[in-house]
Amino acid sequence: GAGVSQSPSNKVTEKGKDVELRCDPISGHTALYWYRQSLGQGLEFLIYFQGNSAPDKSGLPSDRFSAERTGGSVSTLTIQRTQQEDSAVYLCASSLAPVGGSLYNEQFFGPGTRLTVL
Amino acid sequence: SQQGEEDPQALSIQEGENATMNCSYKTSINNLQWYRQNSGRGLVHLILIRSNEREKHSGRLRVTLDTSKKSSSLLITASRAADTASYFCATGDQTGANNLFFGTGTRLTVIP
Repeated sequence: GAGVSQSPSNKVTEKGKDVELRCDPISGHTALYWYRQSLGQGLEFLIYFQGNSAPDKSGLPSDRFSAERTGGSVSTLTIQRTQQEDSAVYLCASSLAPVGGSLYNEQFFGPGTRLTVL
Repeated sequence: SQQGEEDPQALSIQEGENATMNCSYKTSINNLQWYRQNSGRGLVHLILIRSNEREKHSGRLRVTLDTSKKSSSLLITASRAADTASYFCATGDQTGANNLFFGTGTRLTVIP
C-alpha cells in the first residue's frame, strides 16, 4: 500500500499570501499529525486529529494557522497571511491509533512540503 | 518544554566504526522512539523501547533506556556510508498527550 503523501513538495509564496498544504494519510489510519521543522531544528507539533474527535490544536503557533480533516482521511493545513518566519518543512504523519498513553503505534511520515515565504 | 535533547549535535565517523547518540528528556514517559531523517524530509521509524524495558536490539541498532536518568542511547554498529542522516529521539509521555515530543537531532556523517 501507498505511504503518506503530501502535496505540493515545494511551495514558494509571497509574504501575505495564503497557502494550503495537503496530506493523504495511509488508508485506515485513524490518527493524523502535522509537524513543522525549521532549518536544522527538531520537529514542532502543530495539530492532531483522531477519528471524529475534536482536533488537538494546542501546537498551532497563531490564529493564522488552521487545519481540517475531511471524512476522516485527507487533511489540509492552511496558513493565512504568510510571514517569512513560516518558512519551514511541514511534515504530516499518520498512525493506526494514538501514540499517547498506554496505546502505542509508530507514526508514518510523509515526505513533507518545503514552504518558502519571500 | 517536554522536548528531548540529543547529544552530540553532530557526529562524524569512519565507515565501520560504531556511532553512539544520546537523548535526554524531561518528563515521565510511556515509550521512547528513534527516527531517522534523510535530507531534511520525511522521518523513518527505527525502533521503539517501552518505559519498562532497558535494552532493545534491531539489526545493527541497539537502544538503551535509563528512566532514572531520563536518558536513552542509540548505538549503530559497523556503520556504513548509507547511515549518514539525522537521528531523532521522540517520547510519548504519560499525560495522555497524543503527539510525540521530538528532540533536536544528531547529524551523523559516515565517511567512506
